[in-house]
Amino acid sequence: AQSVTQLDSQVPVFEEAPVELRCNYSSSVSVYLFWYVQYPNQGLQLLLKYLSGSTLVKGINGFEAEFNKSQTSFHLRKPSVHISDTAEYFCAVSDTFGNEKLTFGTGTRLTIIP
Amino acid sequence: DAGVTQSPTHLIKTRGQQVTLRCSPISGHKSVSWYQQVLGQGPQFIFQYYEKEERGRGNFPDRFSARQFPNYSSELNVNALLLGDSALYLCASRTYPPGELFFGEGSRLTVL
Repeated sequence: AQSVTQLDSQVPVFEEAPVELRCNYSSSVSVYLFWYVQYPNQGLQLLLKYLSGSTLVKGINGFEAEFNKSQTSFHLRKPSVHISDTAEYFCAVSDTFGNEKLTFGTGTRLTIIP
Repeated sequence: DAGVTQSPTHLIKTRGQQVTLRCSPISGHKSVSWYQQVLGQGPQFIFQYYEKEERGRGNFPDRFSARQFPNYSSELNVNALLLGDSALYLCASRTYPPGELFFGEGSRLTVL
């Protein structure tokens, strides 16, 4: 069984400042990792995914994440945030790409301060 | 192109009633899955269907059931509603073999 821990439930950040949203996972098998964003009253949108290869993954809207197998982490970063980045961010894991079951963390609410 | 569409967007039911939620996947997507998102929590996997067959089931009681139709649309049924069933129900679709999972905007169910 897998689990995902998002260490911060809320992260306030000033506009144009950098941000890091933390995600740690637990699994007994190889995993695939995802970050999704949920804007108010909307569904989930994929930001980026790690399946294999380079541990630094680049996604949409200027976000990137680094897979660290030894620390079982997949932290999300952006060098300069904008007001439009205000949203809920979810880290998720699956044990095989193709396994429909994604296990999500509890989410991190990113609030951008003007 | 249309994304994943879900209906209804909002609905209110009382305890003990039954509800049916509907999902139309993106054209060409044959796999549909359902997730429950309780307020303040991450989504939890309920079901996956592919080619009208159940391919995965999460840890939900038998009150929850689903099916997929020949046109790949899907319905989620919940019987004997409880207050704890109040949540946003998300449908997602993807091609099979797998690609990116695309989510709809969800159906928000309130049980009074």
